[in-house]
Amino acid sequence: GAGVSQSPSNKVTEKGKDVELRCDPISGHTALYWYRQSLGQGLEFLIYFQGNSAPDKSGLPSDRFSAERTGGSVSTLTIQRTQQEDSAVYLCASSLATGGDTQYFGPGTRLTVL
Amino acid sequence: QKEVEQDPGPLSVPEGAIVSLNCTYSNSAFQYFMWYRQYSRKGPELLMYTYSSGNKEDGRFTAQVDKSSKYISLFIRDSQPSDSATYLCAMKGTSGSRLTFGEGTQLTVNP
Repeated sequence: GAGVSQSPSNKVTEKGKDVELRCDPISGHTALYWYRQSLGQGLEFLIYFQGNSAPDKSGLPSDRFSAERTGGSVSTLTIQRTQQEDSAVYLCASSLATGGDTQYFGPGTRLTVL
Repeated sequence: QKEVEQDPGPLSVPEGAIVSLNCTYSNSAFQYFMWYRQYSRKGPELLMYTYSSGNKEDGRFTAQVDKSSKYISLFIRDSQPSDSATYLCAMKGTSGSRLTFGEGTQLTVNP
């Protein structure tokens, strides 16, 4: 079946604007994760969903970042009042359940804040 | 200090060489260990997944875990130009679901 998909693949925005990033997990996967990859920082965990609830949102860097998941499927990561330091690749992953299950990654959204 | 340390390289080897990639970690709660491969402008793809100490082999790839030393390795035999990518180690504990990644090692295999 199809893998994890993300949209848009690239997003250029101006400082201070809000952006929404979308993730479509693999069908049937109940767990969904957001990570951020930036130069020199590697991949950093942001938030994890089990179904529609987020048991762990401790990686969100500030209250400008929020995420939701509806219908146990699609998730949206919203960044309000974007700053230049938000420029990064935002990666979404999904897994069948949690615990030791393999996380499968999407291609990412490359965000550039001018 | 980062929980997971990985030399970012870059590492350049000739085709056919044996490649050794390594990570060390400080959190003894980590129990699951993974290696992901990431091509430029693509998402990471899982290469190897191990739970216990010891070796796991899959084709040209061997993953090694030494929990007593908090050290994991990935060996690539008969390296090919198509192996040129960034290799990320990742690990997690038994509770919680987040992966903690190393910075990634950029590998180039020259024909």
